[in-house]
Amino acid sequence: DTEVTQTPKHLVMGMTNKKSLKCEQHMGHRAMYWYKQKAKKPPELMFVYSYEKLSINESVPSRFSPECPNSSLLNLHLHALQPEDSALYLCASSPEGVTQYFGPGTRLTVL
Amino acid sequence: GENVEQHPSTLSVQEGDSAVIKCTYSDSASNYFPWYKQELGKGPQLIIDIRSNVGEKKDQRIAVTLNKTAKHFSLHITETQPEDSAVYFCAEDSGGGADGLTFGKGTHLIIQP
Repeated sequence: DTEVTQTPKHLVMGMTNKKSLKCEQHMGHRAMYWYKQKAKKPPELMFVYSYEKLSINESVPSRFSPECPNSSLLNLHLHALQPEDSALYLCASSPEGVTQYFGPGTRLTVL
Repeated sequence: GENVEQHPSTLSVQEGDSAVIKCTYSDSASNYFPWYKQELGKGPQLIIDIRSNVGEKKDQRIAVTLNKTAKHFSLHITETQPEDSAVYFCAEDSGGGADGLTFGKGTHLIIQP
């Protein structure tokens, strides 16, 4: 089973809203990732968690705040986003920190 | 990883023919090379991968070849079918997973009936 689940599937929010994206995997994977994908572009790495500790933060604006409450769950908290932050947000997990399996993504629209 | 170049950006082939997509990387420390298929509205799906100690890997109609000296790797799809139509991304990892994956720009594969 290589399933990564993400909720919600779609999210529309205003620039003053606070919302959260959720990602879960129950495969015992030790690493989890957030990527951002704009239309017709490849995924771009945002954050890496390894053994529940943040190991990579790719200079992402502070309006994006990751959280890893436990080894199965990864959140991305959103606050004061801009319209240019509209994108597909992808979560991935890896058993050994190399092979990555992606979830279906959350399509975010910022008005 | 530093940079991955992927060609072509669009590839149209007749159903039943073969398709080849090529990627070139620059970081000699790269040692893991996955290929992902992304259908419209879905997340990327890992379809095949290869590590630097292997030159070729095959899984049914899909194969990947790696030339470490020339720093390029290729995806080969034989006997293409309409359901192969999608965007394909190559990627590389030189940080042992610590740095995430660096992706190529993608190839839109169109299978003509």
